[in-house]
Amino acid sequence: EAGVAQSPRYKIIEKRQSVAFWCNPISGHATLYWYQQILGQGPKLLIQFQNNGVVDDSQLPKDRFSAERLKGVDSTLKIQPAKLEDSAVYLCASSLGIGETEAFFGQGTRLTVV
Amino acid sequence: GENVEQHPSTLSVQEGDSAVIKCTYSDSASNYFPWYKQELGKRPQLIIDIRSNVGEKKDQRIAVTLNKTAKHFSLHITETQPEDSAVYFCAATSGGSYIPTFGRGTSLIVHP
Repeated sequence: EAGVAQSPRYKIIEKRQSVAFWCNPISGHATLYWYQQILGQGPKLLIQFQNNGVVDDSQLPKDRFSAERLKGVDSTLKIQPAKLEDSAVYLCASSLGIGETEAFFGQGTRLTVV
Repeated sequence: GENVEQHPSTLSVQEGDSAVIKCTYSDSASNYFPWYKQELGKRPQLIIDIRSNVGEKKDQRIAVTLNKTAKHFSLHITETQPEDSAVYFCAATSGGSYIPTFGRGTSLIVHP
């Protein structure tokens, strides 16, 4: 089966610019996650969707980050404006459902803010 | 919220030795504990998982144990091989919030 697709793979922007990441989950997966992975750390959950509804966004810096999954399939994550500390790999993952189910990760988007 | 602590941060072993990575969690409602392997520059991939109604699970050279009372779980790799070298992450998902929380990772180095 096809895996989780993300684009772009790499992005370099200047601070205060905007950036958007795209994710296409595995077909049929109702749950979609966006994680931020800073170098040397574990993935940190930013937002979790169940179909097109938000399950949790408590760790999403809402003053600059936004995410949507309008039709319950693809999702976009936006940062506006970016800060230096946003430099990280942004991982999208999907699973059949929430809770006790395996999450499949995409390759990630490596963001560098200069 | 859930807090997951993982130790050690780095583990160096000789090929053929065993490796053990330990994690503790804080939320007693957590009921799903996956382990992911992440090779350099690649995506995390699930290698084994355990649910709260089971105390131990094995898959060839890999095993995971869970102690719900003490709120800790461990990954055991036997007969390590150089291709086992990677960063390993534990995670815990709360049955109440369904939010997965990851540990900080363990860099395993297996020397030939």
